[in-house]
Amino acid sequence: DAGITQSPRHKVTETGTPVTLRCHQTENHRYMYWYRQDPGHGLRLIHYSYGVKDTDKGEVSDGYSVSRSKTEDFLLTLESATSSQTSVYFCATQTGGQNTEAFFGQGTRLTVV
Amino acid sequence: DQQVKQNSPSLSVQEGRISILNCDYTNSMFDYFLWYKKYPAEGPTFLISISSIKDKNEDGRFTVFLNKSAKHLSLHIVPSQPGDSAVYFCAASAGNDYKLSFGAGTTVTVRA
Repeated sequence: DAGITQSPRHKVTETGTPVTLRCHQTENHRYMYWYRQDPGHGLRLIHYSYGVKDTDKGEVSDGYSVSRSKTEDFLLTLESATSSQTSVYFCATQTGGQNTEAFFGQGTRLTVV
Repeated sequence: DQQVKQNSPSLSVQEGRISILNCDYTNSMFDYFLWYKKYPAEGPTFLISISSIKDKNEDGRFTVFLNKSAKHLSLHIVPSQPGDSAVYFCAASAGNDYKLSFGAGTTVTVRA
């Protein structure tokens, strides 16, 4: 367990509202990631960070933004939630360096109604 | 376009028998491959990995085989146990690009 905490664990929100999910790590890992899990698609990368204030887009970044102001915190914001963003969101961290695994949080189940 | 593919959504196996999970990839730059296990309502946990310089890696009941020429890897679980019932994800990364690309997952059910 790499000490990754996601909050909230569950959230129901209305279409059009902004939503922020938080990931907090205690391992001082340089790399942090946001994935979403959907049936038939597995885990798809939304955004990632390779250091404080250094972020980049993943394969499904439309409608999402991220921020990382401290090593330990990585925030994912849905600017205007849509029903297609109903999903389970996972945060992951990685020390970096070749041949290293990522460690995952327990996930946030988000429902957009 | 998914670069890591798990074409079998599910697998059912009897307790004590072998489970074989398959994974194919299209990106020839991938050089590190991992398997993750996921239980319901939990995050994925790392299971086993293999570097492209090897063709086999073993850890207890779990063995991963890599066939680079076929761009194919497999996970063998022997013997299968009820606690192995979970979703298994194949993942890969390429060189200095550390982020992991995942397959769609295979749900394994071990029958008593």
